[in-house]
Amino acid sequence: NAGVTQTPKFQVLKTGQSMTLQCAQDMNHEYMSWYRQDPGMGLRLIHYSVGAGITDQGEVPNGYNVSRSTTEDFPLRLLSAAPSQTSVYFCASSSSGNYNEQFFGPGTRLTVL
Amino acid sequence: QQPVQSPQAVILREGEDAVINCSSSKALYSVHWYRQKHGEAPIFLMILLKGGEQKGHDKISASFNEKKQQSSLYLTASQLSYSGTYFCRGTSYDKVIFGPGTSLSVIP
Repeated sequence: NAGVTQTPKFQVLKTGQSMTLQCAQDMNHEYMSWYRQDPGMGLRLIHYSVGAGITDQGEVPNGYNVSRSTTEDFPLRLLSAAPSQTSVYFCASSSSGNYNEQFFGPGTRLTVL
Repeated sequence: QQPVQSPQAVILREGEDAVINCSSSKALYSVHWYRQKHGEAPIFLMILLKGGEQKGHDKISASFNEKKQQSSLYLTASQLSYSGTYFCRGTSYDKVIFGPGTSLSVIP
């Protein structure tokens, strides 16, 4: 099993550009989520999904969109990148909501100029 | 509101013990603990559920005091491999929130 994979590993964008961060898992997990990690602030939840076709907002959803058309994939879209979105982004999955171990992907380091 | 972790940073010599605390102002159903090494993804250590149950993993154990809404992570006889940043993750009825992290460095 590959676990949770994320692409790309690194990305540099200019302000106003859009892009999609990819996340996939091969563990048949229902629950997937996106976090951003900034220095000294831990991980903050952006969006999450409890199953295909179901998504909801987390703590810091503004400027991001998600969709979940399959169990395996959970892409995160930046609509119009801003320097404040410079961060490390982690995708995570678990077999159910909040009581099971979350498996994290390797992360995407995004810089917005 | 984000859980508070203490200490913010700690340096240990190999073999020493450490305690990391995580306090929440919101009622939590469960607390997870994760360790993250620099440049890597967080790795799950353990979960504590309501009821004060104490769980252990090798020489790392944790407790959850539901009354105080505080969880503590105990690292016994620390090893070099324990170095990293430790995060608690609290689950309340309406959200999941990570603490800001505690940086732990184990030196020979």
